[in-house]
Amino acid sequence: QSVLTQPPSVSGAPGQRVTISCTGSRSNIGTGYDVHWYQQLPGTAPKLLIYGNYNRPSGVPDRFSGSKSGTSASLAITGLQTDDEADYYCQSYDSSLSAWVFGGGTKLTVL
Amino acid sequence: QITLKESGPTLVKPTQTLTLTCTFSGFSLSTSGVGVGWIRQPPGKALEWLALIYWNDDNRYSPSLKSRLTITKDTSKNQVVITMANMDPVDTATYYCAHRRDWYFDLWGRGTLVTVSS
Repeated sequence: QSVLTQPPSVSGAPGQRVTISCTGSRSNIGTGYDVHWYQQLPGTAPKLLIYGNYNRPSGVPDRFSGSKSGTSASLAITGLQTDDEADYYCQSYDSSLSAWVFGGGTKLTVL
Repeated sequence: QITLKESGPTLVKPTQTLTLTCTFSGFSLSTSGVGVGWIRQPPGKALEWLALIYWNDDNRYSPSLKSRLTITKDTSKNQVVITMANMDPVDTATYYCAHRRDWYFDLWGRGTLVTVSS
């Protein structure tokens, strides 16, 4: 059972917009710790996609955006492409656990 | 350019101790603020943070695995070593090391798959 809750799967057609939610609690997202997102393409290591709730590292397309409100965060992907098929993980820090925590991951399928 | 690479055994027996090495380049663990973490991922499952070591030897461990983990660094060799005692088949996973920036991991190694089986 992950500390951060994500939907197991989402799907969308090419060109569409999808969102992935990440729900935490008052000891992590809700207490002010930032949310970060990683993309894991099949058979590869995770890659930082969004940091500090909404910042994109160099090279990440602006089709990917992040937001945070209260004890939750969201990752939005617009203009879906087949190359976006991957697992997406949110991550934050939990002050009660004194631990870096991840969500359970969301598998994105581009139909 | 920062790179990290994990190395170690691909197969360990139950009850044995696993030792993995992360060899990195492009940064120094003697620089203030720098940290290296270990994260694992069982096949088909989610990421799980294990441990992190800072430039000043401050160590942090996952509460659920703390009793089994030890993380150390060798600044001269640009290496971070993690040991996990009393390995069990449920510890079968791909183990990643990653460069810590603030409260996230900005660069990851490719990972190494460790299978626990007799």
